[in-house]
Amino acid sequence: NAGVTQTPKFQVLKTGQSMTLQCAQDMNHNSMYWYRQDPGMGLRLIYYSASEGTTDKGEVPNGYNVSRLNKREFSLRLESAAPSQTSVYFCASSWTSGGAGETQYFGPGTRLLVL
Amino acid sequence: RKEVEQDPGPFNVPEGATVAFNCTYSNSASQSFFWYRQDCRKEPKLLMSVYSSGNEDGRFTAQLNRASQYISLLIRDSKLSDSATYLCVVDARGSWGKLQFGAGTQVVVTP
Repeated sequence: NAGVTQTPKFQVLKTGQSMTLQCAQDMNHNSMYWYRQDPGMGLRLIYYSASEGTTDKGEVPNGYNVSRLNKREFSLRLESAAPSQTSVYFCASSWTSGGAGETQYFGPGTRLLVL
Repeated sequence: RKEVEQDPGPFNVPEGATVAFNCTYSNSASQSFFWYRQDCRKEPKLLMSVYSSGNEDGRFTAQLNRASQYISLLIRDSKLSDSATYLCVVDARGSWGKLQFGAGTQVVVTP
């Protein structure tokens, strides 16, 4: 059981380049999330998808777009990378269909460096 | 003011000793509370949920104080493998399904 997988593990981009981070889960979860983690700060929510076919903005959505391709996959796209997007990106999933917070399961992360 | 605040540490703890630390949260309407553990350069993993009455999981004890809006984690008989960053996580009540993460408290257990 792989849980939540992410690709790539590492990426170096130049300012202005674009890329897509891939995430997939095999736990049949309804909800999926994208976070970024920067030193000295808690994980911050970029976008989330409550269920297949829906997406919504989180705390820091500027500069990103997402696609919930199907129930398993949720991708994050940087259209024009900026140095401020240098971070570690985590994808997560949970059963949640609404209401109170619930356990989220995280992927191994993608370390992104934008030069 | 951060939604969830933690002492970043590090807390340096001799093996076998007890360590405890707190986290404060600002949203008085929050209903769900968790401690996650994050090893260096790894993903966060759920350590335990925190219940109103307090709960214990082996050497780990979590407490919730709603009046003062803080949760605590106590680790007894610390092991070298307990060295990690412990993230305090609170639901962002009123914001569907969202969680607020603290920046973490680093614990270093020394031989």
